[in-house]
Amino acid sequence: GENVEQHPSTLSVQEGDSAVIKCTYSDSASNYFPWYKQELGKRPQLIIDIRSNVGEKKDQRIAVTLNKTAKHFSLHITETQPEDSAVYFCAASKGGSYIPTFGRGTSLIVHP
Amino acid sequence: NAGVTQTPKFQVLKTGQSMTLQCAQDMNHEYMSWYRQDPGMGLRLIHYSVGAGITDQGEVPNGYNVSRSTTEDFPLRLLSAAPSQTSVYFCASSYDDEQYFGPGTRLTVT
Repeated sequence: GENVEQHPSTLSVQEGDSAVIKCTYSDSASNYFPWYKQELGKRPQLIIDIRSNVGEKKDQRIAVTLNKTAKHFSLHITETQPEDSAVYFCAASKGGSYIPTFGRGTSLIVHP
Repeated sequence: NAGVTQTPKFQVLKTGQSMTLQCAQDMNHEYMSWYRQDPGMGLRLIHYSVGAGITDQGEVPNGYNVSRSTTEDFPLRLLSAAPSQTSVYFCASSYDDEQYFGPGTRLTVT
């Protein structure tokens, strides 16, 4: 089955800095790569996703890049703010009827 | 729409007790799943369902049962609770690949 590795497990940055979280996956048939944000005590919520037919996708201060050849994808957050502090999960799936496999999560701490 | 709802929010069980975690969704999603979340372990899939009457095992199914008699409901049963099942449990439904999570149930087994 699919295996998703996520790094780092903890990331501490100063407000205004950029943050990058990286994930690798094992199943070359995976074609859908979502990112979820989980604030303390809350449920995970989708913040951005990318499909295998594109290499990059942006939404305001967040972007995701995908390298299918190397089987890795990354989340980039620019101009970080304290409210970006949360746990971020990457995931990979074959899309359609397949349930995603999640990485272990990255705890992002943004210091004011 | 209430989205995905879960009850109870908190539960304490003694070892050996059984209980059912309830999950319901009002979005008419076919796919539903149960995850457990433990520190440093991410979200691990317990069981999932692709429609009423169809269920399958995920990564960590031992000690749990599920059934899906309706599209709306997907209860998770703990047969004989063990301390290793202390965790936060999330139910999710999905449409067009996006997972919609419930608020979670924090379960402690003593």
